Amino acid sequence: SAVISQKPSRDICQRGTSLTIQCQVDSQVTMMFWYRQQPGQSLTLIATANQGSEATYESGFVIDKFPISRPNLTFSTLTVSNMSPEDSSIYLCSARARGLHHEQYFGPGTRLTVT
Amino acid sequence: DQQVKQNSPSLSVQEGRISILNCDYTNSMFDYFLWYKKYPAEGPTFLISISSIKDKNEDGRFTVFLNKSAKHLSLHIVPSQPGDSAVYFCAASIETSGSRLTFGEGTQLTVNP
Repeated sequence: SAVISQKPSRDICQRGTSLTIQCQVDSQVTMMFWYRQQPGQSLTLIATANQGSEATYESGFVIDKFPISRPNLTFSTLTVSNMSPEDSSIYLCSARARGLHHEQYFGPGTRLTVT
Repeated sequence: DQQVKQNSPSLSVQEGRISILNCDYTNSMFDYFLWYKKYPAEGPTFLISISSIKDKNEDGRFTVFLNKSAKHLSLHIVPSQPGDSAVYFCAASIETSGSRLTFGEGTQLTVNP
């Protein structure tokens, strides 16, 4: 399995500002993803982070709001731009390791509060 | 449109008894199903999965059953232990979708000593 770390673990931000979340995997993985878990709700896929190219966004999520980078096989960043209180959520990074079918391993999450 | 649903937000079970967590889905294209466990302040942890070509998969105390005709799957935990107390998420995927997971809302399992 892959061990995934995220930074920061939590943050409190002012509306209108941006926050960049980092995700580091301890081994090379084939695919990396970003999810959001709003309070009391399920996990929702934001986008698939593609190495060296633009991320693939799910319906309802756009690059201007959630720019994503993946410069190599073990690292990705998600930026939450121009934040509003509705962006208060837990943001989770996940990865699918080589040889696995569909199983994804998750980081501990970043708890974001926007005031 | 919630394609994966867990209709029970919570379940309470005595230690040593069986825990049964249920999940329903609406998209007949789903062909791979997974269960995750999540403790507070941690990310989800993969538990067990099943392909649509099977109807049962077992791993230690955990067994997942899949009923394709009913679009229903369940996770059985036997015997239940207090350490199993967590939120359990059901997730589904389509083979050709690039591993994108669709999650249910989760069920909070409490195992009482």
